[in-house]
Amino acid sequence: NAGVMQNPRHLVRRRGQEARLRCSPMKGHSHVYWYRQLPEEGLKFMVYLQKENIIDESGMPKERFSAEFPKEGPSILRIQQVVRGDSAAYFCASSDGQGYGYTFGSGTRLTVV
Amino acid sequence: EDQVTQSPEALRLQEGESSSLNCSYTVSGLRGLFWYRQDPGKGPEFLFTLYSAGEEKEKERLKATLTKKESFLHITAPKPEDSATYLCAVQATGWGGSQGNLIFGKGTKLSVKP
Repeated sequence: NAGVMQNPRHLVRRRGQEARLRCSPMKGHSHVYWYRQLPEEGLKFMVYLQKENIIDESGMPKERFSAEFPKEGPSILRIQQVVRGDSAAYFCASSDGQGYGYTFGSGTRLTVV
Repeated sequence: EDQVTQSPEALRLQEGESSSLNCSYTVSGLRGLFWYRQDPGKGPEFLFTLYSAGEEKEKERLKATLTKKESFLHITAPKPEDSATYLCAVQATGWGGSQGNLIFGKGTKLSVKP
């Protein structure tokens, strides 16, 4: 019974490149949430998605960031034209939408050089 | 503005020395308060959810309590394997409080020495 799977675990990008982070929710979960953890900062909510729908993107930066959760396949967090300030750990969580417990993945550590 | 403050930032204990971690919150309305444990290089691991003042939950050496303004995570006779960062988060009701929006504190880093 695999948990929330995120890949890659580590990602290095040069400034101006694109970063794609993937998240496969737990089996049976159809709700996906993305959070960002900056050094010395707490986890910050970015976006909440269900299959083919963005439910709440109030935490997403207005430019360069986008997220999707297609009918088939993992959820993708996409960062275009990365800058040094995008360096952080990005965590995905999933739930079945019935209660309030979320299961987190191990995260993707993005380093922009 | 909804916010969560955890204290202390770091806590060092000897094995067997019981203590408590604090989580103070300010929200327009509380839907739920969550405690997570996070080990270095890993994602948060769910511990407890509390919904109303007076509620308590226990798991092994951990006990979480909730009042209208704060939550405590009590650690009884801790062991070295309890060393981790403990995160508190709240989910608010009202405008903008969607199901997914957890507001996290910065965490308390706990070290338990043998």
